[in-house]
Amino acid sequence: QKEVEQDPGPLSVPEGAIVSLNCTYSNSAFQYFMWYRQYSRKGPELLMYTYSSGNKEDGRFTAQVDKSSKYISLFIRDSQPSDSATYLCAMKEGAGSYQLTFGKGTKLSVIP
Amino acid sequence: NAGVTQTPKFQVLKTGQSMTLQCAQDMNHEYMSWYRQDPGMGLRLIHYSVGAGITDQGEVPNGYNVSRSTTEDFPLRLLSAAPSQTSVYFCASSYLGQGTNEKLFFGSGTQLSVL
Repeated sequence: QKEVEQDPGPLSVPEGAIVSLNCTYSNSAFQYFMWYRQYSRKGPELLMYTYSSGNKEDGRFTAQVDKSSKYISLFIRDSQPSDSATYLCAMKEGAGSYQLTFGKGTKLSVIP
Repeated sequence: NAGVTQTPKFQVLKTGQSMTLQCAQDMNHEYMSWYRQDPGMGLRLIHYSVGAGITDQGEVPNGYNVSRSTTEDFPLRLLSAAPSQTSVYFCASSYLGQGTNEKLFFGSGTQLSVL
């Protein structure tokens, strides 16, 4: 079993919908949780970063971490066609660990 | 501000050939790394460096060499290319600051095909 599981989709939603993207993990040592967005033929870019359990909000994006269930989520409100991309979750153990473990990514299409 | 620059963008090699993928960053980042991205496999770490003269292996290091002689540059060398190394390669860098490196800045990638 891979350490990080992420449904690859594809996921297609109408413009304005609320999108929920999820990852599960098995390594209880993971302490840092990230979401990266990757547009086609581009490198990933950091979207959200959280350390502790709970919610973190940034504009239309909310990242949620539940360490007890080993489950993280990214919610996108009022989705836009420009949100169409692949979303990658990533995780890392404590400070001093330099290796990020990525999920496979979920491809999202927002239809106008 | 150029950020992370990778060259070349595309490369086709024959089995057994060697080549170097170049990566340069102008943000004075201590941390640099190389990932490969394959369909259905996600991003996997090949090698990384936390400063000039310091490198370490990631998840999939076999068949690749790296060195870090300057803060700015982190080349990836394929010693004897194999079809299994066909992939998209990304270089990424970040500050270390307090021992963390969550905010990676990625280059635009090199698409490599080995025939």
